[in-house]
Amino acid sequence: QVQLVESGGGVVQPGRSLRLSCAASGFTFTTYAMHWVRQAPGKGLEWVAVISYDGTNEYYADSVKGRFTISRDNSKSTLYLQMNILRAEDTAVFYCGGSYYYDSGGHYLQIGNGIQYWGQGTLVTVSS
Amino acid sequence: QSALTQPPSASGSPGQSVTIPCTGTSSDVGGRNYVSWYQQHPGKAPKLMIFEVSKRPSGVPDRFSGSKSGNTASLTVSGLQAEDEADYYCSSHAGSNNLVFGGGTKLTVL
Repeated sequence: QVQLVESGGGVVQPGRSLRLSCAASGFTFTTYAMHWVRQAPGKGLEWVAVISYDGTNEYYADSVKGRFTISRDNSKSTLYLQMNILRAEDTAVFYCGGSYYYDSGGHYLQIGNGIQYWGQGTLVTVSS
Repeated sequence: QSALTQPPSASGSPGQSVTIPCTGTSSDVGGRNYVSWYQQHPGKAPKLMIFEVSKRPSGVPDRFSGSKSGNTASLTVSGLQAEDEADYYCSSHAGSNNLVFGGGTKLTVL
């Protein structure tokens, strides 16, 4: 069955770095754009970043641009999020998600089409 | 990258129908047919319920339907059941290959 397993979360001081990983299995990883979505405690979902199926294109929310870097290793079916210069407001559960790269009409979508697969999330707490 | 607008809460009795609106702009909801809806139960990961405005993934009951008019998309849940009580989020493609979510709506089954 489909599994996305995030890891790497924890408590980190403001200004420091953290790297999240998301191991995928049970689906053809190379046909999915992959996203990171976060959810601050008691708050709604916030899209963070996406990487195209082949890793050639990355897009970021304004709130993380220049601080976070999304990447993937298709040989390992693994997604990453390198988070630098962390702030208290980055405290959240981070979910990875997979989005098929074609729409129902067969059109290619760089950022995919609806996030079909979700991990269970990993908590990142930024605190001194 | 402004969030889409959803009402914070909605409610209905078992068996009734409830509609949750999601308002954006011509740069996101109104300009694209890539609106999705997600259901999230407390402590759980979101689940895709609707994609491309009105399409249901395999396994999602046909009690869930989506539509769009202008800059507003809507999720309708018909024949409300207790297990439908959850938070619901809309999302849309936006701008230059960005994704934007709504603030979420807490659906209560009375």
